[in-house]
Amino acid sequence: DTEVTQTPKHLVMGMTNKKSLKCEQHMGHRAMYWYKQKAKKPPELMFVYSYEKLSINESVPSRFSPECPNSSLLNLHLHALQPEDSALYLCASSPHPRDRGLMNTEAFFGQGTRLTVV
Amino acid sequence: GQNIDQPTEMTATEGAIVQINCTYQTSGFNGLFWYQQHAGEAPTFLSYNVLDGLEEKGRFSSFLSRSKGYSYLLLKELQMKDSASYLCAVRGGSYNTDKLIFGTGTRLQVFP
Repeated sequence: DTEVTQTPKHLVMGMTNKKSLKCEQHMGHRAMYWYKQKAKKPPELMFVYSYEKLSINESVPSRFSPECPNSSLLNLHLHALQPEDSALYLCASSPHPRDRGLMNTEAFFGQGTRLTVV
Repeated sequence: GQNIDQPTEMTATEGAIVQINCTYQTSGFNGLFWYQQHAGEAPTFLSYNVLDGLEEKGRFSSFLSRSKGYSYLLLKELQMKDSASYLCAVRGGSYNTDKLIFGTGTRLQVFP
Protein backbone atom coordinates (compact mmCIF):
# COMPACT_ATOMS: atom_id res chain seq x y z
CA ASP A 1 0.00 0.00 0.00
CA THR A 2 1.71 3.19 -1.21
CA GLU A 3 -1.24 5.43 -0.64
CA VAL A 4 -1.67 8.65 1.26
CA THR A 5 -5.35 9.35 1.88
CA GLN A 6 -6.66 12.82 2.50
CA THR A 7 -10.16 13.82 3.59
CA PRO A 8 -12.22 15.67 2.70
CA LYS A 9 -11.49 16.10 -1.01
CA HIS A 10 -13.30 19.44 -1.10
CA LEU A 11 -14.12 21.87 1.72
CA VAL A 12 -15.90 25.20 1.74
CA MET A 13 -15.73 27.13 4.98
CA GLY A 14 -16.60 30.56 6.29
CA MET A 15 -14.04 32.83 7.88
CA THR A 16 -15.42 32.13 11.36
CA ASN A 17 -15.59 28.36 11.00
CA LYS A 18 -13.32 25.75 12.54
CA LYS A 19 -12.54 22.73 10.39
CA SER A 20 -9.90 20.01 10.15
CA LEU A 21 -8.12 18.32 7.28
CA LYS A 22 -7.06 14.72 7.74
CA CYS A 23 -4.26 12.66 6.25
CA GLU A 24 -3.51 8.96 6.72
CA GLN A 25 -0.76 6.62 5.55
CA HIS A 26 0.15 3.04 6.42
CA MET A 27 3.60 2.80 4.86
CA GLY A 28 5.40 3.14 8.17
CA HIS A 29 6.74 6.54 7.19
CA ARG A 30 7.84 8.62 10.17
CA ALA A 31 8.17 11.91 8.26
CA MET A 32 4.95 13.66 7.26
CA TYR A 33 4.40 17.00 5.59
CA TRP A 34 1.76 19.61 4.86
CA TYR A 35 2.01 21.68 1.70
CA LYS A 36 -0.14 24.49 0.34
CA GLN A 37 -0.52 24.88 -3.42
CA LYS A 38 -2.11 27.81 -5.22
CA ALA A 39 -3.20 27.53 -8.84
CA LYS A 40 -0.34 27.28 -11.34
CA LYS A 41 2.22 27.46 -8.52
CA PRO A 42 4.43 24.76 -7.00
CA PRO A 43 3.61 23.28 -3.58
CA GLU A 44 4.88 25.38 -0.66
CA LEU A 45 6.05 23.60 2.46
CA MET A 46 4.10 24.46 5.62
CA PHE A 47 5.00 21.89 8.30
CA VAL A 48 7.19 18.82 8.77
CA TYR A 49 6.62 16.15 11.43
CA SER A 50 9.44 13.80 12.39
CA TYR A 51 8.50 10.83 14.54
CA GLU A 52 5.24 12.53 15.46
CA LYS A 53 6.98 15.71 16.63
CA LEU A 54 6.77 19.03 14.82
CA SER A 55 10.25 19.66 13.42
CA ILE A 56 9.70 22.42 10.88
CA ASN A 57 7.18 25.27 10.79
CA GLU A 58 7.79 27.47 7.77
CA SER A 59 6.48 30.61 9.51
CA VAL A 60 2.88 29.57 8.97
CA PRO A 61 0.19 31.78 10.57
CA SER A 62 -1.28 30.40 13.79
CA ARG A 63 -4.72 30.04 12.20
CA PHE A 64 -3.23 26.80 10.80
CA SER A 65 -2.56 24.30 13.59
CA PRO A 66 -1.03 20.91 12.75
CA GLU A 67 -1.33 17.79 14.86
CA CYS A 68 0.16 14.32 14.57
CA PRO A 69 -1.78 12.05 16.96
CA ASN A 70 0.06 8.87 15.90
CA SER A 71 2.50 7.59 13.30
CA SER A 72 -0.23 7.08 10.67
CA LEU A 73 -2.28 10.24 11.05
CA LEU A 74 -1.69 13.91 10.39
CA ASN A 75 -4.28 16.63 10.91
CA LEU A 76 -4.41 20.29 9.99
CA HIS A 77 -6.81 22.33 12.13
CA LEU A 78 -8.15 25.48 10.53
CA HIS A 79 -9.63 28.47 12.34
CA ALA A 80 -10.45 32.03 11.31
CA LEU A 81 -9.07 31.60 7.80
CA GLN A 82 -8.97 34.30 5.17
CA PRO A 83 -10.13 34.05 1.53
CA GLU A 84 -6.48 34.12 0.42
CA ASP A 85 -6.00 30.82 2.26
CA SER A 86 -8.10 29.13 -0.42
CA ALA A 87 -5.80 26.57 -2.06
CA LEU A 88 -5.09 22.88 -2.53
CA TYR A 89 -3.64 21.44 0.68
CA LEU A 90 -1.40 18.44 0.10
CA CYS A 91 -0.20 15.93 2.64
CA ALA A 92 2.89 13.84 1.97
CA SER A 93 4.91 11.18 3.76
CA SER A 94 8.34 9.65 3.35
CA PRO A 95 10.77 7.47 5.28
CA HIS A 96 12.45 9.53 7.98
CA PRO A 97 16.12 10.43 7.34
CA ARG A 98 17.14 8.14 10.19
CA ASP A 99 15.44 5.22 8.45
CA ARG A 100 17.05 5.72 5.07
CA GLY A 101 20.35 4.86 3.47
CA LEU A 102 21.11 6.10 0.02
CA MET A 103 18.08 4.27 -1.28
CA ASN A 104 15.35 5.84 -3.30
CA THR A 105 13.09 7.36 -0.69
CA GLU A 106 10.64 9.63 -2.38
CA ALA A 107 7.75 11.42 -0.73
CA PHE A 108 4.29 10.11 -1.54
CA PHE A 109 1.53 12.66 -1.89
CA GLY A 110 -2.16 12.49 -1.16
CA GLN A 111 -4.72 13.77 -3.65
CA GLY A 112 -5.18 16.92 -1.60
CA THR A 113 -8.06 18.86 -0.12
CA ARG A 114 -9.37 21.69 -2.26
CA LEU A 115 -10.20 24.40 0.31
CA THR A 116 -12.35 27.43 -0.44
CA VAL A 117 -12.73 30.12 2.22
CA VAL A 118 -15.75 32.36 1.74
CA GLY B 1 17.90 31.63 1.07
CA GLN B 2 16.84 28.89 -1.28
CA ASN B 3 16.31 29.19 -5.01
CA ILE B 4 15.18 26.41 -7.28
CA ASP B 5 14.54 27.66 -10.79
CA GLN B 6 12.92 26.07 -13.81
CA PRO B 7 11.57 27.44 -17.10
CA THR B 8 7.93 28.40 -16.65
CA GLU B 9 6.54 26.84 -19.81
CA MET B 10 7.70 24.57 -22.62
CA THR B 11 6.05 23.14 -25.69
CA ALA B 12 6.98 20.10 -27.74
CA THR B 13 5.61 17.79 -30.40
CA GLU B 14 4.37 14.25 -29.90
CA GLY B 15 7.21 11.76 -30.44
CA ALA B 16 9.93 14.34 -29.78
CA ILE B 17 12.43 14.67 -26.94
CA VAL B 18 12.31 17.51 -24.41
CA GLN B 19 14.78 18.52 -21.69
CA ILE B 20 13.57 20.43 -18.64
CA ASN B 21 16.31 22.15 -16.68
CA CYS B 22 16.49 22.92 -12.98
CA THR B 23 19.11 25.02 -11.19
CA TYR B 24 19.26 25.20 -7.44
CA GLN B 25 20.94 26.95 -4.53
CA THR B 26 19.86 25.46 -1.23
CA SER B 27 21.09 25.10 2.32
CA GLY B 28 21.87 21.42 2.56
CA PHE B 29 21.44 18.80 -0.14
CA ASN B 30 20.20 15.25 0.35
CA GLY B 31 18.92 14.52 -3.11
CA LEU B 32 16.91 15.93 -5.98
CA PHE B 33 13.54 14.65 -7.12
CA TRP B 34 11.41 15.13 -10.20
CA TYR B 35 7.64 14.95 -9.90
CA GLN B 36 4.90 15.12 -12.51
CA GLN B 37 1.64 16.85 -11.68
CA HIS B 38 -1.47 16.93 -13.81
CA ALA B 39 -3.88 19.78 -13.15
CA GLY B 40 -5.90 19.23 -9.99
CA GLU B 41 -4.03 16.04 -9.08
CA ALA B 42 -1.30 15.07 -6.63
CA PRO B 43 2.36 15.16 -7.66
CA THR B 44 3.63 11.72 -8.68
CA PHE B 45 7.24 10.65 -8.38
CA LEU B 46 9.33 10.33 -11.55
CA SER B 47 12.99 10.14 -10.58
CA TYR B 48 15.60 10.69 -7.89
CA ASN B 49 19.28 11.69 -8.03
CA VAL B 50 21.61 11.97 -5.07
CA LEU B 51 24.94 11.28 -6.83
CA ASP B 52 26.24 12.97 -9.96
CA GLY B 53 25.28 11.38 -13.22
CA LEU B 54 22.38 10.09 -15.21
CA GLU B 55 19.52 7.93 -13.96
CA GLU B 56 17.39 6.28 -16.63
CA LYS B 57 13.89 4.98 -16.13
CA GLY B 58 12.06 4.03 -19.28
CA ARG B 59 11.15 7.14 -21.27
CA PHE B 60 12.39 9.40 -18.48
CA SER B 61 15.99 10.18 -17.53
CA SER B 62 17.33 12.62 -14.99
CA PHE B 63 20.80 14.07 -14.63
CA LEU B 64 22.49 15.73 -11.67
CA SER B 65 25.62 17.83 -11.25
CA ARG B 66 26.01 18.76 -7.60
CA SER B 67 29.01 21.03 -8.20
CA LYS B 68 26.99 23.08 -10.67
CA GLY B 69 23.70 22.95 -8.76
CA TYR B 70 22.05 21.68 -11.92
CA SER B 71 19.70 18.93 -12.94
CA TYR B 72 17.63 18.11 -15.98
CA LEU B 73 14.74 15.79 -16.77
CA LEU B 74 14.76 14.25 -20.23
CA LEU B 75 11.50 12.96 -21.67
CA LYS B 76 11.71 10.83 -24.80
CA GLU B 77 9.05 9.70 -27.27
CA LEU B 78 6.66 12.31 -25.98
CA GLN B 79 3.01 11.40 -25.70
CA MET B 80 -0.02 13.65 -25.34
CA LYS B 81 -0.50 12.40 -21.79
CA ASP B 82 2.90 13.90 -20.88
CA SER B 83 1.28 17.34 -20.94
CA ALA B 84 1.58 18.29 -17.28
CA SER B 85 3.62 20.32 -14.84
CA TYR B 86 7.07 19.00 -13.98
CA LEU B 87 8.42 19.87 -10.56
CA CYS B 88 12.04 19.75 -9.49
CA ALA B 89 12.36 19.35 -5.71
CA VAL B 90 15.46 19.45 -3.53
CA ARG B 91 15.68 17.64 -0.24
CA GLY B 92 17.64 19.64 2.31
CA GLY B 93 17.88 19.71 6.06
CA SER B 94 19.64 17.57 8.60
CA TYR B 95 19.93 13.99 9.76
CA ASN B 96 17.06 14.37 12.18
CA THR B 97 14.70 16.16 9.88
CA ASP B 98 14.54 17.26 6.31
CA LYS B 99 12.38 19.19 3.97
CA LEU B 100 11.48 18.83 0.34
CA ILE B 101 11.41 22.18 -1.37
CA PHE B 102 9.89 22.53 -4.81
CA GLY B 103 11.12 24.60 -7.70
CA THR B 104 8.99 26.98 -9.69
CA GLY B 105 7.65 24.18 -11.90
CA THR B 106 7.54 23.82 -15.69
CA ARG B 107 4.25 23.47 -17.56
CA LEU B 108 4.83 21.25 -20.58
CA GLN B 109 2.35 21.17 -23.42
CA VAL B 110 2.66 18.40 -26.01
CA PHE B 111 1.07 19.02 -29.41
CA PRO B 112 0.12 16.40 -31.99
